[in-house]
Amino acid sequence: EAGVAQSPRYKIIEKRQSVAFWCNPISGHATLYWYQQILGQGPKLLIQFQNNGVVDDSQLPKDRFSAERLKGVDSTLKIQPAKLEDSAVYLCASSPDRDSNRGGKLFFGSGTQLSVL
Amino acid sequence: AQTVTQSQPEMSVQEAETVTLSCTYDTSENNYYLFWYKQPPSRQMILVIRQEAYKQQNATENRFSVNFQKAAKSFSLKISDSQLGDTAMYFCAFMSSGSWGKLQFGAGTQVVVTP
Repeated sequence: EAGVAQSPRYKIIEKRQSVAFWCNPISGHATLYWYQQILGQGPKLLIQFQNNGVVDDSQLPKDRFSAERLKGVDSTLKIQPAKLEDSAVYLCASSPDRDSNRGGKLFFGSGTQLSVL
Repeated sequence: AQTVTQSQPEMSVQEAETVTLSCTYDTSENNYYLFWYKQPPSRQMILVIRQEAYKQQNATENRFSVNFQKAAKSFSLKISDSQLGDTAMYFCAFMSSGSWGKLQFGAGTQVVVTP
């Protein structure tokens, strides 16, 4: 099966500019996640969607970050305006419906590496 | 809040040898899941092994096995017969049964396998 697709792979912007990342999950996966991975740290969950509804966005800096999942499939994560501390890899992941036999098995994309100058 | 600690920033091992990565976590919950994920230079996180807290038996997946000590809140990963393709960052992760899909990751351990 095709994996989780993300684009772009790299992005360089100046602070205060806007940027958007795109994710296409594995077909049929109901749940989609955006994780932020700062250099030298493990990924941190930003937002979780179940179909096209938000399940958890408690760690999303809502003053500058926004995300949507149109029609319960593709998703876009936006930062406006970007700050230096937003430099990180943004990972998208998806998983099938809640399944006790596979709980926690997320399928990750290769991420977008963002550099804010 | 749960915390996951990986105290080894980097480990080096020769091909065919065994290496053990340590992980400790802090939680007041009784029902949860623990994971080891691998991140090669491609950046794609890949699940290596999964352990359910209510199961006493340690999980194994081919050359990968864990030592789960629930009382000590310890979850170590053993890689046997190391291969060059095992070179990657390894992350320990915690998931509460009440927060499906929300993984709390440690800072990672870089594993380097040398010929």
